Amino acid sequence: GENVEQHPSTLSVQEGDSAVIKCTYSDSASNYFPWYKQELGKRPQLIIDIRSNVGEKKDQRIAVTLNKTAKHFSLHITETQPEDSAVYFCAASRGDMRFGAGTRLTVKP
Amino acid sequence: NAGVTQTPKFRVLKTGQSMTLLCAQDMNHEYMYWYRQDPGMGLRLIHYSVGEGTTAKGEVPDGYNVSRLKKQNFLLGLESAAPSQTSVYFCASQGLVSTGELFFGEGSRLTVL
Repeated sequence: GENVEQHPSTLSVQEGDSAVIKCTYSDSASNYFPWYKQELGKRPQLIIDIRSNVGEKKDQRIAVTLNKTAKHFSLHITETQPEDSAVYFCAASRGDMRFGAGTRLTVKP
Repeated sequence: NAGVTQTPKFRVLKTGQSMTLLCAQDMNHEYMYWYRQDPGMGLRLIHYSVGEGTTAKGEVPDGYNVSRLKKQNFLLGLESAAPSQTSVYFCASQGLVSTGELFFGEGSRLTVL
């Protein structure tokens, strides 16, 4: 089955800095790569996704890039704010959605 | 429109007891999933279903069974609970294709003593 690895496990940045989270996947048949944000005690919520026929997607301060050849994809958050503090999960799907272990992002004011 | 509803939200079991978690969705979604979430291990897929009457194993299926007798419901059963099954369980549903947003329930916190 698909194996998704995510790095780093924790990330601390100053407010206004950029944050980058990286994921790799094992199954070349995976064709959908979403990112979820989970605040403490809440359910995960989709923040951005990308499909295998696209190399990059941007939504305001958030962007995702995909390198199908290398089987890795990354989340980029610019101009970070304290409310961006949460756990972020990447995932890959070819019919069953598999998640990475998560990155705890802390944005210090 | 409630989205995805899980019951119960909290449960304490003794080792060896059985229980069923119910997930209900009102979005007419085809795909449904059960995940468990443990600290530092992310969301691990237990079982999933691609439509009414179908089920498939995920990455950690041992000790769990599932059923999808009705399209809107996906049940997760523990026949003989073990302390290792202490976790937060999330159900999720997804639309007509497997490349789309997962809608999660609020989670069910299960403690096995």
